[in-house]
Amino acid sequence: DSGVTQTPKHLITATGQRVTLRCSPRSGDLSVYWYQQSLDQGLQFLIHYYNGEERAKGNILERFSAQQFPDLHSELNLSSLELGDSALYFCASSFGASGNTIYFGEGSWLTVV
Amino acid sequence: GQQLNQSPQSMFIQEGEDVSMNCTSSSIFNTWLWYKQDPGEGPVLLIALYKAGELTSNGRLTAQFGITRKDSFLNISASIPSDVGIYFCAGQRSAGNMLTFGGGTRLMVKP
Repeated sequence: DSGVTQTPKHLITATGQRVTLRCSPRSGDLSVYWYQQSLDQGLQFLIHYYNGEERAKGNILERFSAQQFPDLHSELNLSSLELGDSALYFCASSFGASGNTIYFGEGSWLTVV
Repeated sequence: GQQLNQSPQSMFIQEGEDVSMNCTSSSIFNTWLWYKQDPGEGPVLLIALYKAGELTSNGRLTAQFGITRKDSFLNISASIPSDVGIYFCAGQRSAGNMLTFGGGTRLMVKP
């Protein structure tokens, strides 16, 4: 158990809908990272927050957004969902903002039908 | 797309055999990490390497940070069935940059 908690674990939704994925980082960690894992693209970095502030953006679509709250939990919002958005979405956390030694949650499986 | 070339893509070995996999890049990385992912779970950090030439072990696992800073290797000695999973390398160019992941090596172990 990495200490990173993600909910929901599984989610099935229809195209065009909007979903919110939630992440609680390890106790004491200030950074939260979101990654997308699909079969054809592997693990792709989406976005990084440190202590409530956005630090870096990766291959995140405009239809996706995220935020980190004062209690350090984070939410990833996915809207106007398309079939190709079906993937595993991972949250990871670390104490600092260096972005290297990060610890992953178990992921949220999103299936868009 | 991915910038780290990880090989082999998959391996099917006999229990007890040693395993080697590697990750190469055309760019220099200052940190290399190796993760293992079991089915239905998130990647788990196995070894982190911070210095060119560094050789670090974690039980039966040994990883090396290549001298050129463009590659890294992971060896597993005396494999056991619970070694089954997908092994990912990840590199970081400098502090604050995000990790770039390789495509993974799927390891299967025959008892």
